[in-house]
Amino acid sequence: DAGVIQSPRHEVTEMGQEVTLRCKPISGHNSLFWYRQTMMRGLELLIYFNNNVPIDDSGMPEDRFSAKMPNASFSTLKIQPSEPRDSAVYFCASSLQTGNYGYTFGSGTRLTVV
Amino acid sequence: GENVEQHPSTLSVQEGDSAVIKCTYSDSASNYFPWYKQELGKRPQLIIDIRSNVGEKKDQRIAVTLNKTAKHFSLHITETQPEDSAVYFCAATGNQFYFGTGTSLTVIP
Repeated sequence: DAGVIQSPRHEVTEMGQEVTLRCKPISGHNSLFWYRQTMMRGLELLIYFNNNVPIDDSGMPEDRFSAKMPNASFSTLKIQPSEPRDSAVYFCASSLQTGNYGYTFGSGTRLTVV
Repeated sequence: GENVEQHPSTLSVQEGDSAVIKCTYSDSASNYFPWYKQELGKRPQLIIDIRSNVGEKKDQRIAVTLNKTAKHFSLHITETQPEDSAVYFCAATGNQFYFGTGTSLTVIP
């Protein structure tokens, strides 16, 4: 298995532009998580899905952030419009199910908003 | 929800010495406790985990202990090597992972 695949690896965009981050979870994993990592805040859970259904999006910072999981093999995290304070590394992770199984993280997308 | 506290935030040890990182959690319903290692610029990777029905687990130089009564668990690394230098995160799970704030470990050659 290729693991959790994220794209792009790096994204540099101008303030106000739309940014879309993509994730392909490990086949057979039923849970998918989006995290944001910064030096100041550490690892923050933004949203997670079980069986493609959003379960908890309380970590999504603002309405500018949205996430979708149209099928079991694909998820997107969109920021519109982007702001400099959104600059961070965004990780996608998947798991067999929430609770008693470890997460496998993707390589992350390093987002820079200038 | 769960609240996971992790200490220390930074740790420096001489090569060959042991390193210990401690975490506490608040939700007695949490029953799975993984540890992740994150090297600079890379993804967090699971290195060891422990479930609530086990008090200790060991994998070569790495061990984790769990005290459910006191709600704390610890990571022990023995015979540290420079390649152990990284940030280590603990987590406790209910319906999702609640991560600690991380410990930056530096092993001095």
